[in-house]
Amino acid sequence: NAGVMQNPRHLVRRRGQEARLRCSPMKGHSHVYWYRQLPEEGLKFMVYLQKENIIDESGMPKERFSAEFPKEGPSILRIQQVVRGDSAAYFCASSRGTNTEAFFGQGTRLTVV
Amino acid sequence: SQELEQSPQSLIVQEGKNLTINCTSSKTLYGLYWYKQKYGEGLIFLMMLQKGGEEKSHEKITAKLDEKKQQSSLHITASQPSHAGIYLCGADVGAAGNKLTFGGGTRVLVKP
Repeated sequence: NAGVMQNPRHLVRRRGQEARLRCSPMKGHSHVYWYRQLPEEGLKFMVYLQKENIIDESGMPKERFSAEFPKEGPSILRIQQVVRGDSAAYFCASSRGTNTEAFFGQGTRLTVV
Repeated sequence: SQELEQSPQSLIVQEGKNLTINCTSSKTLYGLYWYKQKYGEGLIFLMMLQKGGEEKSHEKITAKLDEKKQQSSLHITASQPSHAGIYLCGADVGAAGNKLTFGGGTRVLVKP
């Protein structure tokens, strides 16, 4: 049973470009969470999704950031018009349900140059 | 908002010695998660605690949640170099799903 798969592991974008981060949850998991880890800061919740629905996006910046978890395929975190402050490690986690074990992927390290 | 305080922030122990990390919440925890992160890598799930007074062990690692469900400790017995890394506690704030608030982490270094 493969774990949570994230790709790419590393992503370099120039300022103003778009970044797309992908997350495939563990088999049997329908709950996906995105977290951001800024340099020298802790992990911060961004968004919680279930298939085709955004359940909680209270941690998402108001502009340029969006997330989806379509019926088929991985969850996508999209960052439009990236700025240097978006450089961080973005982690995805999945769980089978609420109040259950949540497993994390290896993360995508985004560098904006 | 939920605040999680981890202590100590960093820890250096001699191989073979025991160590304890604490995680304290300002509010009652619905669930408490322990993870380990190595530099540049993802989080490895260690344990999840939900009930007051609960204790779980895996190999040389033991985690406890106090009766009031506001404090948890992670104890490593006879530490090894493989135990080095950053230990993170995450709290389920009780909202829908596993929306976790994380502590600042404890950096552990094991000296051979």
